[in-house]
Amino acid sequence: TQLLEQSPQFLSIQEGENLTVYCNSSSVFSSLQWYRQEPGEGPVLLVTVVTGGEVKKLKRLTFQFGDARKDSSLHITAAQPGDTGLYLCAGARNQGGKLIFGQGTELSVKP
Amino acid sequence: DTEVTQTPKHLVMGMTNKKSLKCEQHMGHRAMYWYKQKAKKPPELMFVYSYEKLSINESVPSRFSPECPNSSLLNLHLHALQPEDSALYLCASSPMGSGGMERETQYFGPGTRLLVL
Repeated sequence: TQLLEQSPQFLSIQEGENLTVYCNSSSVFSSLQWYRQEPGEGPVLLVTVVTGGEVKKLKRLTFQFGDARKDSSLHITAAQPGDTGLYLCAGARNQGGKLIFGQGTELSVKP
Repeated sequence: DTEVTQTPKHLVMGMTNKKSLKCEQHMGHRAMYWYKQKAKKPPELMFVYSYEKLSINESVPSRFSPECPNSSLLNLHLHALQPEDSALYLCASSPMGSGGMERETQYFGPGTRLLVL
């Protein structure tokens, strides 16, 4: 079974705090995507990482792909209430389009 | 334009009804997907169309019937659904074809919230 372990599953923090979400696997991925989803809406793509060791920044969000392309992290600096949502990581393994999803991190940022 | 559109936004149907969900993308993507998602869980893959041909069916019950009329459109026909089929149904597309690994990136539509009574 291909697994992508995502942690933590739930995170409730105050505005202004920093946080990190992790996705770990024993399998190598050809690429990995991070999405943010609000209730009742579709997942919105935040970033795709493809190169081992790659770091990408999107305003206060920093994404890293592990050197061996088996793990990834999302770091949010100075979280804001607008960051609240379900964060999903999803890895691809050149298998005809199938993505392996993490279980998701439900983030709540309180003002 | 990185938009995938889905209609309807909401759908309520009885167990004897027949309805269809529609999905459209104009990004020139050659792969399209149907997912089912329960609240606060990750999406579960149902079907994959690659170059307008069904390439993956994840053992989905026959009461769900996909159709890909052309490279921009994807339908999901529903018949005799059960209450447990109530969920958010998501369509996605990805570039596929030659190029870098970013061709695997999937772009999701806003979803159709389905309630089966």
